[in-house]
Amino acid sequence: DAKTTQPTSMDCAEGRAANLPCNHSTISGNEYVYWYRQIHSQGPQYIIHGLKNNETNEMASLIITEDRKSSTLILPHATLRDTAVYYCIVVSGNYGQNFVFGPGTRLSVLP
Amino acid sequence: EAGVVQSPRYKIIEKKQPVAFWCNPISGHNTLYWYRQNLGQGPELLIRYENEEAVDDSQLPKDRFSAERLKGVDSTLKIQPAELGDSAVYLCASSPDWGLSSYNEQFFGPGTRLTVL
Repeated sequence: DAKTTQPTSMDCAEGRAANLPCNHSTISGNEYVYWYRQIHSQGPQYIIHGLKNNETNEMASLIITEDRKSSTLILPHATLRDTAVYYCIVVSGNYGQNFVFGPGTRLSVLP
Repeated sequence: EAGVVQSPRYKIIEKKQPVAFWCNPISGHNTLYWYRQNLGQGPELLIRYENEEAVDDSQLPKDRFSAERLKGVDSTLKIQPAELGDSAVYLCASSPDWGLSSYNEQFFGPGTRLTVL
């Protein structure tokens, strides 16, 4: 599975958009980009995933560059409850593939 | 829908003692995962089950760690004897059958925080 690179930490003002980048320059054609987050003392929680098209759901938007070497997770109106560690993971589209988590980005939403 | 249940939530033991963690996955989820998460790091896979079969245990330290998933539902992860370096959060996750979900979403439990003194 391709590796990912994320900033160690980021701050965002409450109510503003949080844009979390992820580099995955070695991604291959059948690999998806997944985003999870982990709030303190909880297990990771699925946010969104995509292959090559931009995706949006009730939690966030995922923007994937045309060459698929990087992506950005967007939380459109960050709240204090969005303070968490965000993980960007690249995984094959085949069923049962293992997730390889990096250290993620620690997002702090500030009042 | 009930989530993944893990117990205990916290465990403090002395080194060389045994310890066990229990996981009940979401009903109907045939795939079960055990992860270990060290402080400041992302989770690392220890073992993955498909029903009762351990299909990937390559990262499980087999000299002291063991796991079982009898009847393909609940699972237990055991450490015997525990070492200081085993202090971590142990996470259990489950995922539905491929036919019921077109992507690899994993549902995580809250984890068990182990402290070895």
